[in-house]
Amino acid sequence: GDSVTQTEGPVTVSESESLIINCTYSATSIAYPNLFWYVRYPGEGLQLLLKVITAGQKGSSRGFEATYNKETTSFHLQKASVQESDSAVYYCALGDANTGYQNFYFGKGTSLTVIP
Amino acid sequence: EAAVTQSPRNKVAVTGGKVTLSCNQTNNHNNMYWYRQDTGHGLRLIHYSYGAGSTEKGDIPDGYKASRPSQENFSLILELATPSQTSVYFCASGDARTYEQYFGPGTRLTVL
Repeated sequence: GDSVTQTEGPVTVSESESLIINCTYSATSIAYPNLFWYVRYPGEGLQLLLKVITAGQKGSSRGFEATYNKETTSFHLQKASVQESDSAVYYCALGDANTGYQNFYFGKGTSLTVIP
Repeated sequence: EAAVTQSPRNKVAVTGGKVTLSCNQTNNHNNMYWYRQDTGHGLRLIHYSYGAGSTEKGDIPDGYKASRPSQENFSLILELATPSQTSVYFCASGDARTYEQYFGPGTRLTVL
């Protein structure tokens, strides 16, 4: 089926260290997958962090980046130097635009704490 | 600025009672969604809507109804609430051009 698997949390990183949150997907019934990273800060709803709708391309935002790799079915989130303000829950999501309503499949979320 | 709001933000209900969760969007998006999130699960789609007057079943619709009386408003209704419906509920609107979804802040529902 269609699904997303991401790094199990919680993840704790010291400020200025690098970060990678792994995301792999299965898109058996989706011809043209779209991939997203959403972030949820405490007390807020999910916000789009970045998206990539074409395989082989990279998305970036706020110092984060992720490359849509069709061969390895991966969309790992990386940041070279994290800040305390990056502490949040990160969700990888797989989208299916061809359904008309854009059905999303979400990973379980990875809770990130950045220690100052 | 585009926004999705939800009410109430927190709700405690009794088993067998009726619960209505409300969502309002100012994005003018046709598509709207209701998800729930539980520990150990990603967001799971309950119901969605293509526009005013339409409601469709998502992946886990049992025990829930939805209502879309207007472009802006989308409600989730639990006619007979059960403890298994204790969860955090998120509403979202979707932009069909950019494939992005915009989420509300969530409603924490506890059914005792």
